[in-house]
Amino acid sequence: AQSVTQLGSHVSVSEGALVLLRCNYSSSVPPYLFWYVQYPNQGLQLLLKYTSAATLVKGINGFEAEFKKSETSFHLTKPSAHMSDAAEYFCAVSGPGNQFYFGTGTSLTVIP
Amino acid sequence: DSGVTQTPKHLITATGQRVTLRCSPRSGDLSVYWYQQSLDQGLQFLIQYYNGEERAKGNILERFSAQQFPDLHSELNLSSLELGDSALYFCASSGEGARTEAFFGQGTRLTVV
Repeated sequence: AQSVTQLGSHVSVSEGALVLLRCNYSSSVPPYLFWYVQYPNQGLQLLLKYTSAATLVKGINGFEAEFKKSETSFHLTKPSAHMSDAAEYFCAVSGPGNQFYFGTGTSLTVIP
Repeated sequence: DSGVTQTPKHLITATGQRVTLRCSPRSGDLSVYWYQQSLDQGLQFLIQYYNGEERAKGNILERFSAQQFPDLHSELNLSSLELGDSALYFCASSGEGARTEAFFGQGTRLTVV
């Protein structure tokens, strides 16, 4: 069975500080993993995805994530937070039948 | 622009009423998904259709139903509406294969008064 767990429903960082959003997955098959961002009153937008090529995946807006099989993790990072990064972030894993399993989301606040 | 179109963007209706939400997937995508997002429940998967057939069902109430038509657009029908049904309803679509991501529409905000 596929599932993801996002640790920390709320994360606050100062502008310019490192952003680290945590995601751990459980999968009975080699996982395909995704990070989405949701800005207020908008739909979810794909940030990046892991599809078993490179373990370090670069996405849009300076975000990247590293797939670590030994830790069953796919944490999202950004070296320097901007005010515009304030949003809700969702980790997801896909499974058989093109089903997607989303985490509960992490709300990122950036403090000026 | 994700290529997924949802209408209407906003809907206000009274308790006990019935509404229909519409979704047009990205061109060529056969899978359509419906999600409900509320403050207290987060993002909840409701149902998935693939090429007109129901493929997976999540936390969808019996008062809710959906279908996907031959032209691949989908409709979500919500009946006997309650105040607690107020939420954002998202449609998403995806192509073939587990490597493909889901593309989300902008959502329909339903307010039940």
